[in-house]
Amino acid sequence: GAGVSQTPSNKVTEKGKYVELRCDPISGHTALYWYRQSLGQGPEFLIYFQGTGAADDSGLPNDRFFAVRPEGSVSTLKIQRTERGDSAVYLCASSLQVAGEGGTQYFGPGTRLTVL
Amino acid sequence: DAKTTQPNSMESNEEEPVHLPCNHSTISGTDYIHWYRQLPSQGPEYVIHGLTSNVNNRMASLAIAEDRKSSTLILHRATLRDAAVYYCILIDFGNEKLTFGTGTRLTIIP
Repeated sequence: GAGVSQTPSNKVTEKGKYVELRCDPISGHTALYWYRQSLGQGPEFLIYFQGTGAADDSGLPNDRFFAVRPEGSVSTLKIQRTERGDSAVYLCASSLQVAGEGGTQYFGPGTRLTVL
Repeated sequence: DAKTTQPNSMESNEEEPVHLPCNHSTISGTDYIHWYRQLPSQGPEYVIHGLTSNVNNRMASLAIAEDRKSSTLILHRATLRDAAVYYCILIDFGNEKLTFGTGTRLTIIP
């Protein structure tokens, strides 16, 4: 079946602009995660949704970052007033169970965001 | 979540077994041991996980020390497609997020 998809695959924007990154999880997966990966580093957790609600947003770096999942499926990560330091690959994952219950997370290919 | 320690890099010859070590001396009794890998320009991919007993699946085997303070991911016959960064991650029961370290970069030599 279809895996996790993310659009766009690449996004180039200018400092100060607003961007939206989209994630389509695997159908039926109630849990959805956003991670950010800087060059040479492992992915870093941003936010976790269970259904429509953000169950854990402790990884969002500041209030310029916001994510929604209004119908419990597709999610959008929104970044306001982008800064050059926001440049990274943004990864989305979905799962049936949380990782701490043995759940497997399935990752999308990521969106590479470049802020000029 | 408890911390893991992995070598920064390893090399292996193609078609030979690979043993990727992970130390987790502060593991708690409810921590699952997960392994993910990330191929170049792709998102991470689940490999295997376990709690106390050794585990096998079509991709790999996971050998867990009796005291659970270390584990080893075993690729039985490495191919060039196994070249990736391998992450060993501990996840406490009920926790939802993966905390990645820097992993082990595995290079396969043809």
